[in-house]
Amino acid sequence: EAGVAQSPRYKIIEKRQSVAFWCNPISGHATLYWYQQILGQGPKLLIQFQNNGVVDDSQLPKDRFSAERLKGVDSTLKIQPAKLEDSAVYLCASSLGPLAHTDTQYFGPGTRLTVL
Amino acid sequence: GENVEQHPSTLSVQEGDSAVIKCTYSDSASNYFPWYKQELGKGPQLIIDIRSNVGEKKDQRIAVTLNKTAKHFSLHITETQPEDSAVYFCAARSTGRRALTFGSGTRLQVQP
Repeated sequence: EAGVAQSPRYKIIEKRQSVAFWCNPISGHATLYWYQQILGQGPKLLIQFQNNGVVDDSQLPKDRFSAERLKGVDSTLKIQPAKLEDSAVYLCASSLGPLAHTDTQYFGPGTRLTVL
Repeated sequence: GENVEQHPSTLSVQEGDSAVIKCTYSDSASNYFPWYKQELGKGPQLIIDIRSNVGEKKDQRIAVTLNKTAKHFSLHITETQPEDSAVYFCAARSTGRRALTFGSGTRLQVQP
């Protein structure tokens, strides 16, 4: 079974520029998560989708961050404009969904963003 | 919301020794506690998990214990090997909420 795919793996931009990340979850997984992991810290949830609907975006800085999952499969996370403090690894995870007996979250390799 | 604290932040052991990592959580409604291993440049990988109706779970050299009354859970790795070196994260999930709240991580170094 293929894992969670993310691209790009690395991105370097200057502050005030925009950037987008892409995630392809495990086939059949209804729930998709975006986490932000700052160096030396644990992942922190940004947004959670159930199919193509948003379940939780309470910790998403909506003035600069946006995310979508239009067809309930792939997802994109965008930052516009980027700030220095956005430098982090952005992790995508997926799980079967709340009706599954075990709802294990599987993580992708992440995208390392550096904002200069 | 949920808050998860993890200790120690770094742990160095000799190969063959045991390693113990401890976490506490704040939300008494949390019912699922996974442990993830993260190697350099990779995403977190689930190594073991435990649900609130179980006090202990073991999988070969790895075990997890849960004390619901005290709201803490621990990861035990026995007979450590150099390939166990990584950052380990505990996490908790509240009833009705699917996202995980993570601890701050423990960097485990196993000295050959």
